[in-house]
Amino acid sequence: QSALTQPASVSGSPGQSITISCAGSNSDVGGYNFVSWFQHHPGTAPKLMIYDVNKRPSGVSDRFSGSKSGNTASLTISGLQAEDEADYFCCSYAGTNNWLFGGGTKLTVL
Amino acid sequence: EVQLVESGGALVQPGRSLRLSCAASGFTFDDYAMHWVRQAPGKGLEWVSGISWNSGGTAYADSVKGRFTISRDNAKNSLYLEMNTLRAEDTALYYCVRIAGVVFDYWGQGSLVTVSS
Repeated sequence: QSALTQPASVSGSPGQSITISCAGSNSDVGGYNFVSWFQHHPGTAPKLMIYDVNKRPSGVSDRFSGSKSGNTASLTISGLQAEDEADYFCCSYAGTNNWLFGGGTKLTVL
Repeated sequence: EVQLVESGGALVQPGRSLRLSCAASGFTFDDYAMHWVRQAPGKGLEWVSGISWNSGGTAYADSVKGRFTISRDNAKNSLYLEMNTLRAEDTALYYCVRIAGVVFDYWGQGSLVTVSS
């Protein structure tokens, strides 16, 4: 059982938008603006896509955006592309030497 | 290009020890704290341990405290995880991760540790 709750799977057609949620508590997601999102193709290194709730690292497409409301963070991918098909997981800072992760969401591009 | 390459994963019997290594390149290693994060089969990710840039501070998850030791050699751009008294529940893919502030910004591909008799 993961500390942060994500849907197991989401799907969308090319060009559509999808949103993946990451539910926590006021001790983690709700208590800090330090939520990150990662894209992970199994067998490869996870890639940071969003940090500090809504910031994009250099080189990450602006089709990826993040937000937070209360104890739930969200990752939105707009203009879905086949290459976006991957696993996505969230991470929240939860205090000194404490980070929590979501269980991961498998995105399928139909 | 930042690269983190883990090695040392293996099949090991319960109660035995194993040492993981992580070779870092593409950045100034001693500018960053480093961490280990693991993922057990079919489960979510779990933070395991972290070490400051100069080894002055270390931290461990309760699940590994007293059994695992994190260390680094800045001259060799390397991070290590010494794992003792291994248990079946330590079976996981272990990731070496760079941290910037409180953000895990670069990950390796992972090294598989299997604890089984």
